Amino acid sequence: SQQGEEDPQALSIQEGENATMNCSYKTSINNLQWYRQNSGRGLVHLILIRSNEREKHSGRLRVTLDTSKKSSSLLITASRAADTASYFCATDGQSGYSTLTFGKGTMLLVSP
Amino acid sequence: NAGVTQTPKFQVLKTGQSMTLQCAQDMNHEYMSWYRQDPGMGLRLIHYSVGAGITDQGEVPNGYNVSRSTTEDFPLRLLSAAPSQTSVYFCASSYGFHQPQHFGDGTRLSIL
Repeated sequence: SQQGEEDPQALSIQEGENATMNCSYKTSINNLQWYRQNSGRGLVHLILIRSNEREKHSGRLRVTLDTSKKSSSLLITASRAADTASYFCATDGQSGYSTLTFGKGTMLLVSP
Repeated sequence: NAGVTQTPKFQVLKTGQSMTLQCAQDMNHEYMSWYRQDPGMGLRLIHYSVGAGITDQGEVPNGYNVSRSTTEDFPLRLLSAAPSQTSVYFCASSYGFHQPQHFGDGTRLSIL
């Protein structure tokens, strides 16, 4: 059962442009996380935003969370070719033994 | 630190064969999990463990077995391989359910 769903499925931009990916989810969460996956590699954690936070920054990454709309966005500013990867959001529920549920991901292609 | 180490990286099996995918972490994480990643399906949770001696089923547990005798190791066993189990398998670990997951680089498994 997929909790988070990313949008768009694929995104193609030029170097220097900003990339925005969205994630929608269905049930209440403790936190929402974003991960990056380079081709042929495992997922790498990028940023975690808690349910009581609205915005968080990490370097060129900006994540927003709107719990009333059950949605989050990941903005990558001044993108580079090295940002080419798939990006996933992951959510968890509020019970103590819930597990992370990943969306299907957004494939980002940044062309030089 | 090695982080999460998965072996083997690639494996080809015949239908009906059994095998064990190995996963080891050196971060003293209590929480470990196994996912499979299929095109268009995102990551789906197979089994997870909240500590040595404690395991539970995820979304797609059928055909797989796990055990957790030590904090460090969390092997995944395919009992009788089927072509539907052709996938990329990822092991992950973390301090807790709501914490960032650390992923291995995956095992690419083909069942003929």
